[in-house]
Amino acid sequence: QQQVKQSPQSLIVQKGGISIINCAYENTAFDYFPWYQQFPGKGPALLIAIRPDVSEKKEGRFTISFNKSAKQFSLHIMDSQPGDSATYFCAAQDTGGFKTIFGAGTRLFVKA
Amino acid sequence: DTGVSQNPRHKITKRGQNVTFRCDPISEHNRLYWYRQTLGQGPEFLTYFQNEAQLEKSRLLSDRFSAERPKGSFSTLEIQRTEQGDSAMYLCASSLDPGGINEKLFFGSGTQLSVL
Repeated sequence: QQQVKQSPQSLIVQKGGISIINCAYENTAFDYFPWYQQFPGKGPALLIAIRPDVSEKKEGRFTISFNKSAKQFSLHIMDSQPGDSATYFCAAQDTGGFKTIFGAGTRLFVKA
Repeated sequence: DTGVSQNPRHKITKRGQNVTFRCDPISEHNRLYWYRQTLGQGPEFLTYFQNEAQLEKSRLLSDRFSAERPKGSFSTLEIQRTEQGDSAMYLCASSLDPGGINEKLFFGSGTQLSVL
């Protein structure tokens, strides 16, 4: 049962371009949506997160856009750099919950 | 803050053998999680501890899997009678209970298990 669907599976972007990764969820009890970044051989690390009471959150070059009615959210990486090449996971968590549900991941490659 | 530490980093075993992994969470964190990650997939929740109490186990966790967190500090995950399908990265994460507010997970680098 895939509660968080993520696309695309892989993405190649030119240096300086915009990387966009999309996610959709089903459970309306979810109220916290983090994005994690994972480099090879490392565990995931929290990148940025949003709650559904806002439609957008920006931290540096990373922006989350959130559409509550469509139950969709996306990560935008502006001015993508080769160092951004990693696997990105969207995730969701419900109120007061302890279980974070992850999407399948997007492998991003930024060409220099 | 030395981060979440997992040992060993890699484990190769033969089918039918038992294996045990260790996780040392960030010292002040009272929550500890085990996740499993297979190639090309996101981490899947296995189990969760609040201090020393194991509060939730996923249906993914068969009877061959057992986890402990004695004294609410480090945790161990044991897999008995390993099967080839157990081959995966086993990730440990910890967090500080935010009292109902959504939390940030801190992951270790994982233990890569290969069952031959």
